[in-house]
Amino acid sequence: DAGITQSPRHKVTETGTPVTLRCHQTENHRYMYWYRQDPGHGLRLIHYSYGVKDTDKGEVSDGYSVSRSKTEDFLLTLESATSSQTSVYFCAISGVVGQGALGEAFFGQGTRLTVV
Amino acid sequence: KQEVTQIPAALSVPEGENLVLNCSFTDSAIYNLQWFRQDPGKGLTSLLLIQSSQREQTSGRLNASLDKSSGRSTLYIAASQPGDSATYLCAVPYSSASKIIFGSGTRLSIRP
Repeated sequence: DAGITQSPRHKVTETGTPVTLRCHQTENHRYMYWYRQDPGHGLRLIHYSYGVKDTDKGEVSDGYSVSRSKTEDFLLTLESATSSQTSVYFCAISGVVGQGALGEAFFGQGTRLTVV
Repeated sequence: KQEVTQIPAALSVPEGENLVLNCSFTDSAIYNLQWFRQDPGKGLTSLLLIQSSQREQTSGRLNASLDKSSGRSTLYIAASQPGDSATYLCAVPYSSASKIIFGSGTRLSIRP
């Protein structure tokens, strides 16, 4: 299995509180991603990173921020959690292989977040 | 904007049948296409990766093909088994490879 770890795996938090999810990789891959998965919506990209301190928005970025101060860590922060952010959050990584080709993406086991 | 569609949304077949899952994408300027499997309550497991220069990839009973010009990929599963029951997703990275976009998946059920 690819070396990718998400923490925490489960979290219950109250509306209005800040929450930070962590994704840690040991593969030294360039790209890191945060997705959320909800019934009826599939996997939707929140934010992604293409290098240390290089991040950009995905399709559902409102209410979320990210930071990547080291290659191995990508943090997702919910500034002020709302019930609509109750979801399963997945981190993914991918890197460049061979002659510049984009390699496989690997996923973490997910974080189940409940906002009450 | 890239859009990825998977048909059918759900499929139930008896054990032993060969089956095909479909994935289509609107922008043919893709870097690669990847198929994943997801079991209920679990993360995604990579099955096959096809680079944009390739036409197909095989792993055991799985064969994935890619036709960039028509914007289509198929995942062929031979001699299906109950353990193949899961949701299968396809994904394509685009926009300088930084964004990976997923289809909504096909939920596969193999009846013993």
